Amino acid sequence: EPEVTQTPSHQVTQMGQEVILRCVPISNHLYFYWYRQILGQKVEFLVSFYNNEISEKSEIFDDQFSVERPDGSNFTLKIRSTKLEDSAMYFCASTPIEVGTEAFFGQGTRLTVV
Amino acid sequence: SQQGEEDPQALSIQEGENATMNCSYKTSINNLQWYRQNSGRGLVHLILIRSNEREKHSGRLRVTLDTSKKSSSLLITASRAADTASYFCATTTTSGTYKYIFGTGTRLKVLA
Repeated sequence: EPEVTQTPSHQVTQMGQEVILRCVPISNHLYFYWYRQILGQKVEFLVSFYNNEISEKSEIFDDQFSVERPDGSNFTLKIRSTKLEDSAMYFCASTPIEVGTEAFFGQGTRLTVV
Repeated sequence: SQQGEEDPQALSIQEGENATMNCSYKTSINNLQWYRQNSGRGLVHLILIRSNEREKHSGRLRVTLDTSKKSSSLLITASRAADTASYFCATTTTSGTYKYIFGTGTRLKVLA
C-alpha cells in the first residue's frame, strides 16, 4: 500500500538553527500538507500546498517557516531559526484531491529544540 | 468550543467491551474522518463519512454522523488491547478552506 514517508524520524537541534523536514508524498497525490502536534496537544494545521504554491497557511506558519517541492517528489518544511516552542511532532500529509477523500499521513518527525 | 472536540477525553475499558467516542463540531462540514494515533506515532486513517451519510461500518468500527446536531460517534466493538491509542476526528468544512481540522482526541485504554 502506498504511504507517505518522512525523514528523519527524530531531529534534535540547537535553538536558532535551521532545520529541514522532508516528506515524500504518495506519487499521484496533488495536495500536500504540514501539521504539527505539540506533545499532549491536538494536531494543528500549518500549511497546504498545491500546484507548487501555498494554497493556505495558518497563523502558526509565520516567516520562520517555508515549504518547497524541489524536485517533484520531495516536499520539505524549513524552519529558519528554531525556537524552543517549535519542539513538536511534525506530520506531512497528502491527498489525491482537495476535499472528499482521506488524507494520508506520514509517521511524523519529532523535532526537539534544545 | 472549538471545531472538533471529542469526549470523553479519556476512556478506560476491559478487553471485549465496546468503546464509544464522540466528536462535536461547530461549522458545516464536507466530511468527517476518524484517525488513530498510537503513543508518539503517526496518524492512521480509520474511516471517512461524508456529510450526506449517516452511518458507516468498517470491520469492528461503526461511525455515525448527525449533521443536525453537528456530532459524530465512533464505536469500536469487542475491543482489544491493541486498540489502546488516541482517537481523533478531523473535519473538512464548507467554508472554502480545505484544511483538515482535528479535534482534541480521546485517549482509549483497553485493559487485558
